Amino acid sequence: AQTVTQSQPEMSVQEAETVTLSCTYDTSESDYYLFWYKQPPSRQMILVIRQEAYKQQNATENRFSVNFQKAAKSFSLKISDSQLGDAAMYFCAYRKRTGANNLFFGTGTRLTVIP
Amino acid sequence: DVKVTQSSRYLVKRTGEKVFLECVQDMDHENMFWYRQDPGLGLRLIYFSYDVKMKEKGDIPEGYSVSREKKERFSLILESASTNQTSMYLCASSYRVTEAFFGQGTRLTVV
Repeated sequence: AQTVTQSQPEMSVQEAETVTLSCTYDTSESDYYLFWYKQPPSRQMILVIRQEAYKQQNATENRFSVNFQKAAKSFSLKISDSQLGDAAMYFCAYRKRTGANNLFFGTGTRLTVIP
Repeated sequence: DVKVTQSSRYLVKRTGEKVFLECVQDMDHENMFWYRQDPGLGLRLIYFSYDVKMKEKGDIPEGYSVSREKKERFSLILESASTNQTSMYLCASSYRVTEAFFGQGTRLTVV
């Protein structure tokens, strides 16, 4: 069974600094997707970044980037130049590419941004 | 933009009531999901549907059922609500294996 683990229930970062959120996953599949979702206090879950497992290059979206280590089954999110609006719950998620296309989530990391 | 709309943001129901949570998406997505979100437990899948009238159980289907009569609508049904079903419920949809888009959530309280 696929599992997604986020070992940091809470993290904090100073405004304008960089923070890294950790995520590990367990799967026997070789082809899959990994995602980071953000859930602000307003509750609407939104996609931050997506990584396809067959791509070796780490995905980047503006201030958000990932460190994808396929052999280690690790998928961390780096937020650069943190802003107050980055404060939210962040969820790591996994989805295999073929067959049953369920989306598995970690337990989340609450990020606080300190002014 | 994809829009996933859940019928209520807040709902209060009594124990034993039959409860319907509705979700509608406007992007012709095949897949639709119902998750339950509880502090410290993340999102747990209740049911998902990959086509009209098709459904698969997720990790915690007990006490719930679903209905998908039309592609755009996926309903979650609590047959007889209990206090341990007090939670945040999130609906999502996706096109094949791409990312899922979420509704705004329904906070259900069963008293």
